[in-house]
Amino acid sequence: DQQVKQNSPSLSVQEGRISILNCDYTNSMFDYFLWYKKYPAEGPTFLISISSIKDKNEDGRFTVFLNKSAKHLSLHIVPSQPGDSAVYFCAASARRGAQKLVFGQGTRLTINP
Amino acid sequence: GAGVSQSPSNKVTEKGKDVELRCDPISGHTALYWYRQSLGQGLEFLIYFQGNSAPDKSGLPSDRFSAERTGGSVSTLTIQRTQQEDSAVYLCASSPSRNTGELFFGEGSRLTVL
Repeated sequence: DQQVKQNSPSLSVQEGRISILNCDYTNSMFDYFLWYKKYPAEGPTFLISISSIKDKNEDGRFTVFLNKSAKHLSLHIVPSQPGDSAVYFCAASARRGAQKLVFGQGTRLTINP
Repeated sequence: GAGVSQSPSNKVTEKGKDVELRCDPISGHTALYWYRQSLGQGLEFLIYFQGNSAPDKSGLPSDRFSAERTGGSVSTLTIQRTQQEDSAVYLCASSPSRNTGELFFGEGSRLTVL
């Protein structure tokens, strides 16, 4: 039972354009969502998060949008840079700080020069 | 370094052998997690330690898997009688408290069972 789904295993975007990564979840108890970024041979690093009381959170080039009715969130990166090439994981929990983050399968983003 | 440290970084073993994976969390972090990532899969929760509370073992896939955390710091994940399906990258993470939801991951231990 995949509670957090990232249906696109890969995405290729031109440098300078917008990258949009999508994530869907099924558990209506989830109320805190996070995005992690992972480079090869490194552990994932936290990127941005959003609580269910918000529908948008912005941090520099990164913005996360949450649509609770659709159980969907997305990560927008604009403008995309070559250093953004990595695997992005969406994660969710039933409450902030809850011990079990449930992760999606990841989307490999490639930024082309 | 101040990050989460895991060892070994790579481990190749034969089916049926036992393996131990070690995690040194960030100093002062009270929460410690083990996840694993199999090829082409997302991160799968295994076990969670928080202070002196009983660990949440609900993600351990079988009784061949166990973990302990000594002195509230270093943790060891043990896999007994390894099987080929245990091959994965085992990731340890720590967190300063229960209230952030933001985990700090180590680089992982890649386990290959032949």
